[in-house]
Amino acid sequence: AQSVTQPDIHITVSEGASLELRCNYSYGATPYLFWYVQSPGQGLQLLLKYFSGDTLVQGIKGFEAEFKRSQSSFNLRKPSVHWSDAAEYFCAVALANQAGTALIFGKGTTLSVSS
Amino acid sequence: EAGVTQSPTHLIKTRGQQATLRCSPISGHTSVYWYQQALGLGLQFLLWYDEGEERNRGNFPPRFSGRQFPNYSSELNVNALELEDSALYLCASSRDRRETQYFGPGTRLLVL
Repeated sequence: AQSVTQPDIHITVSEGASLELRCNYSYGATPYLFWYVQSPGQGLQLLLKYFSGDTLVQGIKGFEAEFKRSQSSFNLRKPSVHWSDAAEYFCAVALANQAGTALIFGKGTTLSVSS
Repeated sequence: EAGVTQSPTHLIKTRGQQATLRCSPISGHTSVYWYQQALGLGLQFLLWYDEGEERNRGNFPPRFSGRQFPNYSSELNVNALELEDSALYLCASSRDRRETQYFGPGTRLLVL
């Protein structure tokens, strides 16, 4: 069965430090990959997505992610974290060419930013 | 461009009652999806509507149902509410099945 794993439940990073959130997936074929962010009490905002092509994708708010097929990973990175980045981050996958079908989400990683 | 909107923002019901949640997709989007985000269970796919038809449903009992109207807005109905139905219900829309889903702010349902 398809699954998405976010190994880190909670991460604390100092403001200005770099960030990497991990995501691994289990899928029969190359999926479409997404990162969403959820602030407390809010819906999900799309940070970035990978469909095909360049394996390093740029998103909003200075985030980027790299697709590594050999590792079945799609890790999210940011070179310098801001206090406003504190939120919950979700990795999600969908069948290729069916980004609009049911998304499968990881359990999420909560990011705290310390001053 | 206006985003996905959902109403109400909060809903309080008692066990056994019915709840109706509403969603308006982004203009031009024909697909609407419903997800449940319950404490400890993460985000789970509930239903997918496209062009007025239910196209797929997740692993939820039949008391979770819905419909999509000609203007592509959607309703989610939950009958015979149980305490464990308390959750944030998120609606998303996409231009079609090949496109990215964009989410609304959610409706928080509390069942007492």
